[in-house]
Amino acid sequence: DAGVTQSPTHLIKTRGQQVTLRCSPKSGHDTVSWYQQALGQGPQFIFQYYEEEERQRGNFPDRFSGHQFPNYSSELNVNALLLGDSALYLCASSSLDLTGGLQETQYFGPGTRLLVL
Amino acid sequence: SQQGEEDPQALSIQEGENATMNCSYKTSINNLQWYRQNSGRGLVHLILIRSNEREKHSGRLRVTLDTSKKSSSLLITASRAADTASYFCATDATSLNAGKSTFGDGTTLTVKP
Repeated sequence: DAGVTQSPTHLIKTRGQQVTLRCSPKSGHDTVSWYQQALGQGPQFIFQYYEEEERQRGNFPDRFSGHQFPNYSSELNVNALLLGDSALYLCASSSLDLTGGLQETQYFGPGTRLLVL
Repeated sequence: SQQGEEDPQALSIQEGENATMNCSYKTSINNLQWYRQNSGRGLVHLILIRSNEREKHSGRLRVTLDTSKKSSSLLITASRAADTASYFCATDATSLNAGKSTFGDGTTLTVKP
């Protein structure tokens, strides 16, 4: 049973470029959340996708966008990269059951480390 | 700003000793979770404690929650060198916010063999 997978593991971009990060959730999970973790800090919530729509969003600019596919995998896109976007980007998956109660435990992937020069 | 704040920021102990980390938060919560992270890798979920629970155990881990003080503690007993990692607390405000966790900046634990 594969856990949460993310690609690529590392990425180097220059300012102004665009980047796409990918995440495959744990088998059986239908919800994907993305987090940004700067060096020495805790993760910060970017947004969450459920049923192919953005369900919740944190305090991040519109340069950060995402997508969820019918197979529940997800992409995080960042446009017009800034030096401050350098961070570890974490994907977490879980299973939401809005009618029968929520399964709150999230399972995290290994992350994608993005360096913006 | 982060909802949770861990204390201390760094902790260094000898193998076999107990390690206690504390977390404080600012607003009401539905649940609180503790995670471990090794060297900037992905987070590993340790324990989830709901707002109506006061204590939970998992192996060598003991978590307490005091909602009146808006605080939680994580106790690792009989620590091992392999417990060396960063530990984070995270809160979900309501059940509808599940998955939108607010993290603190973590406690870095070093266990010396």
